[in-house]
Amino acid sequence: AQSVTQLGSHVSVSEGALVLLRCNYSSSVPPYLFWYVQYPNQGLQLLLKYTTGATLVKGINGFEAEFKKSETSFHLTKPSAHMSDAAEYFCAVSERGGYQKVTFGTGTKLQVIP
Amino acid sequence: EPEVTQTPSHQVTQMGQEVILRCVPISNHLYFYWYRQILGQKVEFLVSFYNNEISEKSEIFDDQFSVERPDGSNFTLKIRSTKLEDSAMYFCASTLAGAQPQHFGDGTRLSIL
Repeated sequence: AQSVTQLGSHVSVSEGALVLLRCNYSSSVPPYLFWYVQYPNQGLQLLLKYTTGATLVKGINGFEAEFKKSETSFHLTKPSAHMSDAAEYFCAVSERGGYQKVTFGTGTKLQVIP
Repeated sequence: EPEVTQTPSHQVTQMGQEVILRCVPISNHLYFYWYRQILGQKVEFLVSFYNNEISEKSEIFDDQFSVERPDGSNFTLKIRSTKLEDSAMYFCASTLAGAQPQHFGDGTRLSIL
């Protein structure tokens, strides 16, 4: 069985500050890991994914995440927050490939303070 | 860039009525999914569909739910007799295969009165 834990349902950062959204996963097989972003009244947009290979993955809008197997973590970071980053972020896991069901975390709402 | 499209964006239905939510997946994709998100809760998997049959379903996907791919482009979710607790945002997703991520539509907000 697979599961995802996101620490912090709400995170506030100042504009220009580092963004760090935490995600830990549980999976019985090597996982595929994803971060999705949801803007108000919109769908889920893929930010980045880890499947195999390089453990530091870069995504859209300056975000990146690092897969750490020993810590079962996949934290999302961005060096400098922008007002447009305010949204809800979901960490997700899929076993044995992207065609398998995706299990989502509970989400973290990011607030960016001017 | 190709998109998954869902209609309608908002559906209001009386309890006990049947509702059909419609999705047009990305044209060359092979795997199709429905998820739902009850207000304030996380996104939950409902069902996956491949090669014209259900490949996996969750405990939520009971006999009241059904899915269909009636033609080469549409993928529908039917709820036979809606309950108040079916009120949620329903997302359709599709993927080509393998390591490709799932692409999500913008969702249909279903409100049961």
